[in-house]
Amino acid sequence: DQQVKQNSPSLSVQEGRISILNCDYTNSMFDYFLWYKKYPAEGPTFLISISSIKDKNEDGRFTVFLNKSAKHLSLHIVPSQPGDSAVYFCAALFTGTASKLTFGTGTRLQVTL
Amino acid sequence: GAVVSQHPSWVICKSGTSVKIECRSLDFQATTMFWYRQFPKQSLMLMATSNEGSKATYEQGVEKDKFLINHASLTLSTLTVTSAHPEDSSFYICSATLEDTQYFGPGTRLTVL
Repeated sequence: DQQVKQNSPSLSVQEGRISILNCDYTNSMFDYFLWYKKYPAEGPTFLISISSIKDKNEDGRFTVFLNKSAKHLSLHIVPSQPGDSAVYFCAALFTGTASKLTFGTGTRLQVTL
Repeated sequence: GAVVSQHPSWVICKSGTSVKIECRSLDFQATTMFWYRQFPKQSLMLMATSNEGSKATYEQGVEKDKFLINHASLTLSTLTVTSAHPEDSSFYICSATLEDTQYFGPGTRLTVL
């Protein structure tokens, strides 16, 4: 049962344009969400996170939006750069004592020149 | 999709004891597996890269003698936390690579009393 879903396995965007990566979750108990960026054969790198009490968090070129009612979050990258080409994972977390990090399967972003 | 399992999903132990965590790729072979550690609301931290048939590569600041990693087969890597102490309490997650895609295990929550 995939509780965190990234339905787009890949995305191609032109340099300078906006990249939008989407993530859906099914478990309403999740209260903290994270995005990771990962290059091949490397561990994921933390990008940005958002608590369920917020609907937006911004850090430089990266903005994460959370729609709790729709159980949907998205990562916006603007402007997209070739160095952004990587696999992006969203992940969800329970912050209680039984916390567990659940990851999506990732979206491969390709930023073209 | 590719499945990575971890066992146990949670463990509570006394200070000074050793704990072994298993990471298995269930339907594919993985020459490389990664071990991560995460504290609540913090980024996933790569601890080491586990390579089948050879020594693991540890990240800076990770004690090799404390976190023993064995990758004896193409489907199994183990992380042993030796002489565990309360500060080792954390969430440990592994991942395995298949065709440049990282599949993560569900994680193991370790609590050292």
